Amino acid sequence: AQKITQTQPGMFVQEKEAVTLDCTYDTSDPSYGLFWYKQPSSGEMIFLIYQGSYDQQNATEGRYSLNFQKARKSANLVISASQLGDSAMYFCAMREGSSGSARQLTFGSGTQLTVLP
Amino acid sequence: EAGVAQSPRYKIIEKRQSVAFWCNPISGHATLYWYQQILGQGPKLLIQFQNNGVVDDSQLPKDRFSAERLKGVDSTLKIQPAKLEDSAVYLCASSGLVDLNTEAFFGQGTRLTVV
Repeated sequence: AQKITQTQPGMFVQEKEAVTLDCTYDTSDPSYGLFWYKQPSSGEMIFLIYQGSYDQQNATEGRYSLNFQKARKSANLVISASQLGDSAMYFCAMREGSSGSARQLTFGSGTQLTVLP
Repeated sequence: EAGVAQSPRYKIIEKRQSVAFWCNPISGHATLYWYQQILGQGPKLLIQFQNNGVVDDSQLPKDRFSAERLKGVDSTLKIQPAKLEDSAVYLCASSGLVDLNTEAFFGQGTRLTVV
């Protein structure tokens, strides 16, 4: 079974508007971490934001916020005031806590975001 | 702070040939990862090192792929012999000792095309 599901292969948003990128996850481990990465056309993966399973508040980093709904097992990324430079592939990833030193970082299939001028 | 360095950036080989990729992680990072990213998919972990020991290679096709991390610093990933389905971007990443919230820092990747 897929551990990370991103159901939106592509999304479009008008510049300066907000956009939500969906991510659902599957784990039976009570301890886990959720990450969002951005991958521009240059190929490098850029870390955006992190949410721990025990964190009481939703994570925020500048224009990025994470809408964490633990009961629904969703961790959606919200980008406010979109900019042209936000056009990129976005990946949701999860690390589970019980696998010891390995603690593999598992990625979803990604969402291609295009910001329109 | 210098980032993760990978070389080459691009490589084209014929099937059944061999190829090697090199990665230099961020200085002081104990953990090094190799990921395979097929076009249109998310990265898939091939192998994870902590210092110079392997902690996870469960998804590494060991009949053709090998990796080493000598002295716990640089790493090399080799494919021998290559198949058409190995065409992908190979991403190297590094991080400190892994905890739940440890972010991985990625290089720009090596784009391999097998013809």
